[in-house]
Amino acid sequence: EPEVTQTPSHQVTQMGQEVILRCVPISNHLYFYWYRQILGQKVEFLVSFYNNEISEKSEIFDDQFSVERPDGSNFTLKIRSTKLEDSAMYFCANSESGTQADTQYFGPGTRLTVL
Amino acid sequence: AQSVAQPEDQVNVAEGNPLTVKCTYSVSGNPYLFWYVQYPNRGLQFLLKYITGDNLVKGSYGFEAEFNKSQTSFHLKKPSALVSDSALYFCAVRDQAYSGNTPLVFGKGTRLSVIA
Repeated sequence: EPEVTQTPSHQVTQMGQEVILRCVPISNHLYFYWYRQILGQKVEFLVSFYNNEISEKSEIFDDQFSVERPDGSNFTLKIRSTKLEDSAMYFCANSESGTQADTQYFGPGTRLTVL
Repeated sequence: AQSVAQPEDQVNVAEGNPLTVKCTYSVSGNPYLFWYVQYPNRGLQFLLKYITGDNLVKGSYGFEAEFNKSQTSFHLKKPSALVSDSALYFCAVRDQAYSGNTPLVFGKGTRLSVIA
């Protein structure tokens, strides 16, 4: 069964540094998402992406965040200047279509620790 | 606004006994409902979903869930629990009233512990 992969599995960074989290989606999936989960809290939506454009973003996804699909395979989340409160597990997800009924498949996550 | 409630932070059940993990939802239209499971240090794995039709949905690993519109619930069930079912379970919803690429809205999760 195809899987979503994410790298790195764990990233430790200093406050103010830039980080890039990478995701390789399932090959025929066209809709991409980033979610995050702060330790002990619920999974929260960050952004959705289709056809090289952001479809929707939450209030969490401020100017410090950006997404892109630089080479047609990887899907990346960049945090320009990390803050302590950005420490969380970040999940990439993707779906074959953008319909409400479609299943989103999640990667294993990247644990980001900001010191 | 869409929301999901998972009223129990923790559910403990003996191996071989039936298990239930509760979920209620709130949407303006009709719901699409999903269950995901998260094992330690792993991502969210899809278990099952309700789209339309039969209220009893069967999914992976012997799990099933029953959609109850009048009670706005979508409880996850399994007739006989295994120790390997111990994990964190998330219920999620999308509202059929919206079209397009809207995000999943998750509950806070329920930790299931199956005791041998």
